[in-house]
Amino acid sequence: AQSVTQLDSHVSVSEGTPVLLRCNYSSSYSPSLFWYVQHPNKGLQLLLKYTSAATLVKGINGFEAEFKKSETSFHLTKPSAHMSDAAEYFCVVSLSGGYNKLIFGAGTRLAVHP
Amino acid sequence: DSGVTQTPKHLITATGQRVTLRCSPRSGDLSVYWYQQSLDQGLQFLIQYYNGEERAKGNILERFSAQQFPDLHSELNLSSLELGDSALYFCASSVVEYDEQFFGPGTRLTVL
Repeated sequence: AQSVTQLDSHVSVSEGTPVLLRCNYSSSYSPSLFWYVQHPNKGLQLLLKYTSAATLVKGINGFEAEFKKSETSFHLTKPSAHMSDAAEYFCVVSLSGGYNKLIFGAGTRLAVHP
Repeated sequence: DSGVTQTPKHLITATGQRVTLRCSPRSGDLSVYWYQQSLDQGLQFLIQYYNGEERAKGNILERFSAQQFPDLHSELNLSSLELGDSALYFCASSVVEYDEQFFGPGTRLTVL
């Protein structure tokens, strides 16, 4: 069965410092993995997606994630945090290997301090 | 703005009642998905429709049902409501089944 575990429920960084949001996945076959962001009182927006092409995936707003099969990880990073990055971030695995049923992690709330 | 619209934005009702949530997908999208976001269960996939047909089911209760109409909009019906049904309900759509999903702003349901 596929699942994702987000290792931190809350992460706090200062503006201009790097961001690391950690995600481990479990999948019986090659997964499709995603990161979504949810700003307060807003819907979910796709940040980036991995679908068995390049292992380093670049997304919107300067975010990127690296798929590491040996570590079953798909951590999200950004070199320099901005105040507007404060939001909840979800690591997601696709149940069917495509874009069909999405299984969401519990979420990581990112706080950015001036 | 994803192009997916959901109505109403907020809904407050009482236990035992029935409500209908509506979703209009992006223009041209054939597939619609429903998700529930609650504090204790997180974000869960409920059900998917493609061009009017049910394609996949997740953790959807028997008290809940959905359909997709010929004009491709979808409705999620929740009946015999319980306090635990209070949640944010999201609709998402995609062009075809195995494609990027775009999420609507959600409907916040409060059951008193």
